[in-house]
Amino acid sequence: AQSVTQLGSHVSVSEGALVLLRCNYSSSVPPYLFWYVQYPNQGLQLLLKYTSAATLVKGINGFEAEFKKSETSFHLTKPSAHMSDAAEYFCAVSDADYKLSFGAGTTVTVRA
Amino acid sequence: SQTIHQWPATLVQPVGSPLSLECTVEGTSNPNLYWYRQAAGRGLQLLFYSVGIGQISSEVPQNLSASRPQDRQFILSSKKLLLSDSGFYLCAAEGSGTDTQYFGPGTRLTVL
Repeated sequence: AQSVTQLGSHVSVSEGALVLLRCNYSSSVPPYLFWYVQYPNQGLQLLLKYTSAATLVKGINGFEAEFKKSETSFHLTKPSAHMSDAAEYFCAVSDADYKLSFGAGTTVTVRA
Repeated sequence: SQTIHQWPATLVQPVGSPLSLECTVEGTSNPNLYWYRQAAGRGLQLLFYSVGIGQISSEVPQNLSASRPQDRQFILSSKKLLLSDSGFYLCAAEGSGTDTQYFGPGTRLTVL
């Protein structure tokens, strides 16, 4: 099974600053990689999905992620944080038998 | 696009009582269906998944069970709830050929 590591369980950024959330997966290249966002007491919302068509993937709400095979990474970025970006973010990779392996999540707080 | 409904949204149950959570999916046929649980500080735990009517795979041995009586209906049950069953339960669906899981709004279960 794939393993997913999200570096940093909490990230605090100032409004307008760069948001960088780190995700590394185990060495075998998965077919698909995902970032999801979860607001308090809500389900997970898909931010973006990597499908090997392009290494830089653009998602909703101004987020993008870059797939780097040599680093086994799929980091999520947003150039300018907004207060509405405060949420928990999950990286996930596709696994065998129709399943996803999720990272532990990173909680983002945005300071005014 | 698919829509996932879950009910109830919140539930408070005494220890030892039964449980039934329901998930229904609109907008896709023959989806793969999933039940996850989020307990405080423990990330996402896959409980069950189903690739078709009557086909259930269990990921974690516990006092919960799942059933899929119809193509787009997934039910999570328990005969006797434990305190440790408290958490946020999420249903997810993966439409045929999409390789992407979409999540419902979740059910907050508190066992007292």
